[in-house]
Amino acid sequence: EAQVTQNPRYLITVTGKKLTVTCSQNMNHEYMSWYRQDPGLGLRQIYYSMNVEVTDKGDVPEGYKVSRKEKRNFPLILESPSPNQTSLYFCASSFGGQGSTYEQYFGPGTRLTVT
Amino acid sequence: AQSVAQPEDQVNVAEGNPLTVKCTYSVSGNPYLFWYVQYPNRGLQFLLKYITGDNLVKGSYGFEAEFNKSQTSFHLKKPSALVSDSALYFCAVRETWDTGRRALTFGSGTRLQVQP
Repeated sequence: EAQVTQNPRYLITVTGKKLTVTCSQNMNHEYMSWYRQDPGLGLRQIYYSMNVEVTDKGDVPEGYKVSRKEKRNFPLILESPSPNQTSLYFCASSFGGQGSTYEQYFGPGTRLTVT
Repeated sequence: AQSVAQPEDQVNVAEGNPLTVKCTYSVSGNPYLFWYVQYPNRGLQFLLKYITGDNLVKGSYGFEAEFNKSQTSFHLKKPSALVSDSALYFCAVRETWDTGRRALTFGSGTRLQVQP
């Protein structure tokens, strides 16, 4: 089954404790992206990747890191989480290189709470 | 900068009646437009998209959307609502010139409640 998977689905952590949320897709997509969803704000892009070893900032990158060492994986790293990073996080992927009009496929989401 | 507005936080409709979920957008150039649906504890599911061509776009589960360039709108419609359509709906836009970042700008979402 073609899908985007994320782990963990739920995470409660404390301020300053480094964490990684994994994202993997099995559709051989070149493009991958991370979003956060907050009430009343919709989804906002954190980082994106056009292909292996090619990543760039989205609208709200502060406090996050990413890496793209393999085509299928795009982990989101929070080096020192803070309470304002409490949110619902979605990973997405899509076909195609530049100019692609393909829709993005989304993972099931990771609900993160930072206390 | 691109933006999307979904003016209704919630839309209530009786089963069997037609439904409309409104979306207006703002972009500097031409848009690519998308509708996604989110069920509880699930990720976003793609419904339909407008890229170019016919202004009426048909998508999954009997949904369709009409692109209106003069009104900068992309309203989601369905002729006959089902209780199972109850979910959170998101409109999203992307600039056609954004060939790299391809960031979708989402609206804040509209909750659709279909009463039996």
